[in-house]
Amino acid sequence: DAGVIQSPRHEVTEMGQEVTLRCKPISGHNSLFWYRQTMMRGLELLIYFNNNVPIDDSGMPEDRFSAKMPNASFSTLKIQPSEPRDSAVYFCASSNSLGGTFGSGTRLTVV
Amino acid sequence: GENVEQHPSTLSVQEGDSAVIKCTYSDSASNYFPWYKQELGKRPQLIIDIRSNVGEKKDQRIAVTLNKTAKHFSLHITETQPEDSAVYFCAASISYGQNFVFGPGTRLSVLP
Repeated sequence: DAGVIQSPRHEVTEMGQEVTLRCKPISGHNSLFWYRQTMMRGLELLIYFNNNVPIDDSGMPEDRFSAKMPNASFSTLKIQPSEPRDSAVYFCASSNSLGGTFGSGTRLTVV
Repeated sequence: GENVEQHPSTLSVQEGDSAVIKCTYSDSASNYFPWYKQELGKRPQLIIDIRSNVGEKKDQRIAVTLNKTAKHFSLHITETQPEDSAVYFCAASISYGQNFVFGPGTRLSVLP
């Protein structure tokens, strides 16, 4: 298995633009998590899905952020419109009863 | 909901010494406690985990202890090496595959 696959690895965009981050979880994992990591705030959970259903989105900072999981093998995190303070590394992770694995992350820079 | 605290936030040790990182959690229903290591510019990776029916688990130079009564668990690294330098995150969850609540992280520096 190739592990959790995230794309793109790096994204630079201008303020106000829409940004879509993508994640392919490990096959057979039934939970998927989106995290944001910054120096100031550390590793923050944004939202997690269980069997494709959003369970807890209390970490989503505001309405500009949205996440979907249309099927067991794909999830997106969308920021619209993006702002400079959204600059961070966004990690996707998936898990099953044996534990969790992180993707390589997407480094987002909003200028 | 669950709240996980982690101490210290930074830790420097001499190569060969031991390092201990401590975490506390608030939800007594939590029963799974993984530890992740994140090297600079890389993803967090699972290094060891422990379930609530076990008090201690060891894997070579790394060990984790759990005190359910006090709701705290610790990571112990013995004979530290420069490659142990990283940020370490503890986490707690009610069951596998559920929401991991992470601690804020400990930046460990092993000085040669």
